[in-house]
Amino acid sequence: GAVVSQHPSWVICKSGTSVKIECRSLDFQATTMFWYRQFPKQSLMLMATSNEGSKATYEQGVEKDKFLINHASLTLSTLTVTSAHPEDSSFYICSARDLGDRGALNTEAFFGQGTRLTVV
Amino acid sequence: GQNIDQPTEMTATEGAIVQINCTYQTSGFNGLFWYQQHAGEAPTFLSYNVLDGLEEKGRFSSFLSRSKGYSYLLLKELQMKDSASYLCAVKRTYQLIWGAGTKLIIKP
Repeated sequence: GAVVSQHPSWVICKSGTSVKIECRSLDFQATTMFWYRQFPKQSLMLMATSNEGSKATYEQGVEKDKFLINHASLTLSTLTVTSAHPEDSSFYICSARDLGDRGALNTEAFFGQGTRLTVV
Repeated sequence: GQNIDQPTEMTATEGAIVQINCTYQTSGFNGLFWYQQHAGEAPTFLSYNVLDGLEEKGRFSSFLSRSKGYSYLLLKELQMKDSASYLCAVKRTYQLIWGAGTKLIIKP
């Protein structure tokens, strides 16, 4: 399967600072990447859909000014958590689909390794 | 609205068989995925069903009934490493709608 690399795998930051998480598709091009958040013992919650060259589409209840998403190329999307607070501590996961599979219904999502964010 | 239901937790014995059910009510359906997720890790793909019936892949099989809005994941010859959460997800065009996941505990 295709490889999606997410970095860093874990980060601890002080309250009020910003943290950037990178999501790269290593061996394919992805026009669309998805950012999820997962709290302990809960399922994945879609935060936003990141489209290359355009503004991200945020899910209801997700603050776009707090969670900045940039998708500047077909292989890189970044999520910046601005002015982080302890309640932002969570597991953040990105996923991407291969551009070559556009239109195919059975395109599985390839996930990054996830980033464990702890805000102290 | 979107609704995907799975049992929260199941327990099974090593070497046995377990069936994890998933029922869904979604606007739009382009297939159903099953993913495995170990604690602290990202989900990994297990199976995809878009037509009714059973798809078998080694120890894992997945079944879909679109008319009933129902799917199950069948795990045979359970191994300790199968202890994980199992997530079903319904695809709508380009998005996946996720169930809350079923935590599977395997006992020796």
